[in-house]
Amino acid sequence: DTGVSQNPRHKITKRGQNVTFRCDPISEHNRLYWYRQTLGQGPEFLTYFQNEAQLEKSRLLSDRFSAERPKGSFSTLEIQRTEQGDSAMYLCASSLGRSDTNTEAFFGQGTRLTVV
Amino acid sequence: AQRVTQPEKLLSVFKGAPVELKCNYSYSGSPELFWYVQYSRQRLQLLLRHISRESIKGFTADLNKGETSFHLKKPFAQEEDSAMYYCAFHTGRRALTFGSGTRLQVQP
Repeated sequence: DTGVSQNPRHKITKRGQNVTFRCDPISEHNRLYWYRQTLGQGPEFLTYFQNEAQLEKSRLLSDRFSAERPKGSFSTLEIQRTEQGDSAMYLCASSLGRSDTNTEAFFGQGTRLTVV
Repeated sequence: AQRVTQPEKLLSVFKGAPVELKCNYSYSGSPELFWYVQYSRQRLQLLLRHISRESIKGFTADLNKGETSFHLKKPFAQEEDSAMYYCAFHTGRRALTFGSGTRLQVQP
């Protein structure tokens, strides 16, 4: 599968623990997005990178969340001191963007986080 | 604020019936509109985008700037169309903004 890859697929953690998710985008894609999806809702935007630069962060992204894309390739999303409200599906997507245009965004299969 | 509204959580039709999934957006400029689909146990994938003006799997969607709508239509629903459908838009460099989704259930 040469699409967007996310690991792990599932994560169960105790409240208060830190978790880190990884996303490997399609190799030539310069834009990478993180979304969160809870039951019955559409994906909610968290943050996005163009190459290694984090260009936009949602107000949903509290101080406990941090994302990196160190070399403009894979990205990690870390949640510190997890809370039960963090339980959700975390989706990663990538696209090829130039200036104000954007190609189709391709999504990964997501990481399902359960905080107990 | 930029927003996408999909008023129906569930739309249930019989096979062969016409389908219309509603989508309205709020944005003062000229957004780019998309429909994404998620079949059972599959990842979210693009169905169609308004600038392409294509028909994909028999689905079409027309951007109506006056009504700020981008409804998805298909004249004859098939059972394999059963899925979650999300309307989304983005403006320039910004990320996609999604609606809450509509589950389409096509009954035999």
